[in-house]
Amino acid sequence: QAVLTQPASLSASPGASASLTCTLRSGINVGTYKIYWYQQKPGSPPQYLLRYKSDSDKQQGSGVPSRFSGSKDASANAGILLISGLQSEDEADYYCMIWHSTAWVFGGGTKLTVL
Amino acid sequence: EVQLVESGGGLVQPGGSLRLSCAASGFTFSSYWMSWVRQAPGKGLEWVANIKQDGSEKYYVDSVKGRFTISRDNAKNSLYLQMNSLRAEDTAVYYCAKDEGWGVFDYWGQGTLVTVSS
Repeated sequence: QAVLTQPASLSASPGASASLTCTLRSGINVGTYKIYWYQQKPGSPPQYLLRYKSDSDKQQGSGVPSRFSGSKDASANAGILLISGLQSEDEADYYCMIWHSTAWVFGGGTKLTVL
Repeated sequence: EVQLVESGGGLVQPGGSLRLSCAASGFTFSSYWMSWVRQAPGKGLEWVANIKQDGSEKYYVDSVKGRFTISRDNAKNSLYLQMNSLRAEDTAVYYCAKDEGWGVFDYWGQGTLVTVSS
């Protein structure tokens, strides 16, 4: 079982909100991890969005709009990237990442379609 | 302006070797951890390795341990990845990334393509 699992795809309408999940493998407690989120558009390297551990321990990437935010769902053992007020430019691949067992681990990525 | 420019990619046969370089500019290279991250064609991101500012700590993904070596030359503002015993599954675009603060990869290069094929 992968360390981080993300849904392969998600669709949402312009102006709506999208909730992208990053589920940690059973036995790895989301509460103890900082979850990092990256956005990647076709033909470009990834861009850092934000880091979230708790409401008191979080960081927004430089220039990243506040409509991108992080949270956690402890009951689902998952990190969440919430994008509000979706815009066409938000269409991209999104990756979560954690530091686990002396390695950075990326989730498989979610392709977000805005239509 | 921060710039990271990778080079050294190309076509190599299985079992062969390749050395990637990343030339950094626009920031104090010696002050930051640096990472290599790769992306196979049409696939997701995979972190490969990172190295501490002075080179005293290095970490690797399990799949490359014993085959790849990350290094840096702070005098030349350069990051390297020596890749030996290459396999088809190592085929990917390799990015170098500046680590602003432990996992905050704030700058990335444009990547260099490594193709392992006979």
